Amino acid sequence: GENVEQHPSTLSVQEGDSAVIKCTYSDSASNYFPWYKQELGKRPQLIIDIRSNVGEKKDQRIAVTLNKTAKHFSLHITETQPEDSAVYFCAASRPFGGYNKLIFGAGTRLAVHP
Amino acid sequence: DAGVIQSPRHEVTEMGQEVTLRCKPISGHNSLFWYRQTMMRGLELLIYFNNNVPIDDSGMPEDRFSAKMPNASFSTLKIQPSEPRDSAVYFCASSFSGRGVRTGELFFGEGSRLTVL
Repeated sequence: GENVEQHPSTLSVQEGDSAVIKCTYSDSASNYFPWYKQELGKRPQLIIDIRSNVGEKKDQRIAVTLNKTAKHFSLHITETQPEDSAVYFCAASRPFGGYNKLIFGAGTRLAVHP
Repeated sequence: DAGVIQSPRHEVTEMGQEVTLRCKPISGHNSLFWYRQTMMRGLELLIYFNNNVPIDDSGMPEDRFSAKMPNASFSTLKIQPSEPRDSAVYFCASSFSGRGVRTGELFFGEGSRLTVL
């Protein structure tokens, strides 16, 4: 089955610096890669996603890159702000019996210090 | 739409008791997921329904766990009997996806925090 590895597990940066979170997946059939942000005590919410036919996608301060050959994808946050502090989850969706099964990484706890 | 609605938000129970968690997905969504979140294991997919039919229940820990989706607007996750190691936050999520349909955004409920003493 699919396995999604996420690194680092914790990340601490100064406000204004960039943050990068990396994920690898095992199933070459995976075709959809979303990123979710979970603030303390809240539900996970989608912040950006990328499909396998695209190498990069950007939305204001966040961007995601995908390398299908190496089977890894990354989240980049520029000009970090204290409100970016949260747990970030990557996920990979693979076809499963005609459906799609979303498997999450273990999460990265990002702390942005003023 | 009010989003995915889960109840109860918090439940504290004693070992051996039956626990029932409830979920109302977003209207129009045809896929429903139950996830369990713990510090040690992260977000684990327990079961996935599509058009009310269980597609994948390989993540259900053991026979003590069962899930049903009697109609498009309601699902339950039941634990009987409950054990302390079941303590976790249980999330329900819904999306529009399925055969021949591109994977859609997963919308999570606020979660049900379960504590088994």
